[in-house]
Amino acid sequence: SAVISQKPSRDICQRGTSLTIQCQVDSQVTMMFWYRQQPGQSLTLIATANQGSEATYESGFVIDKFPISRPNLTFSTLTVSNMSPEDSSIYLCSVGSVGHTEAFFGQGTRLTVV
Amino acid sequence: KQEVTQIPAALSVPEGENLVLNCSFTDSAIYNLQWFRQDPGKGLTSLLLIQSSQREQTSGRLNASLDKSSGRSTLYIAASQPGDSATYLCAVDTGGFKTIFGAGTRLFVKA
Repeated sequence: SAVISQKPSRDICQRGTSLTIQCQVDSQVTMMFWYRQQPGQSLTLIATANQGSEATYESGFVIDKFPISRPNLTFSTLTVSNMSPEDSSIYLCSVGSVGHTEAFFGQGTRLTVV
Repeated sequence: KQEVTQIPAALSVPEGENLVLNCSFTDSAIYNLQWFRQDPGKGLTSLLLIQSSQREQTSGRLNASLDKSSGRSTLYIAASQPGDSATYLCAVDTGGFKTIFGAGTRLFVKA
């Protein structure tokens, strides 16, 4: 199993500002994923973060709004840029690996934009 | 396009009752199916993982089954307790390292 630490656990931000969310894994993993969970909704994949290459974004998500870094095999960041109230969600980091093994999630970052 | 549906959307039961949560998916070409628990405002806790070649998995009071050909999975919770109150999410790994989630079933167990 993998233990994932996500920071911050929650934040309240002013519209127009940016927030960077950190995800630290206790072991080296090939793939890291960032999800968004809007209020009352299920999880939607934002992007896949690969070490050594640019992140792969899902339809509806763009790099300018959600820049992602993956400097090594245990760490990734997601930035929510130029925030608006519509960005208020829980953002979750997840890890998986080649071989389609079990997915593990961080505890999430609860973001409120005012 | 893979779609995952969970029924019911919400469920309220008295303590001690056995219950079944349902999950269906439209494309049977999956690598695995995973059940998660999510407490309000929190992240996800993995409960059970069923590989595509498996029929069921058990952990304590939880039993998950998978019928890939019919696109269905069930999560059986025995002797429910108030601490089981949470949202239960079903997710399928469709390959390409993508996991597709259902909308979840909100469970409330009354003491």
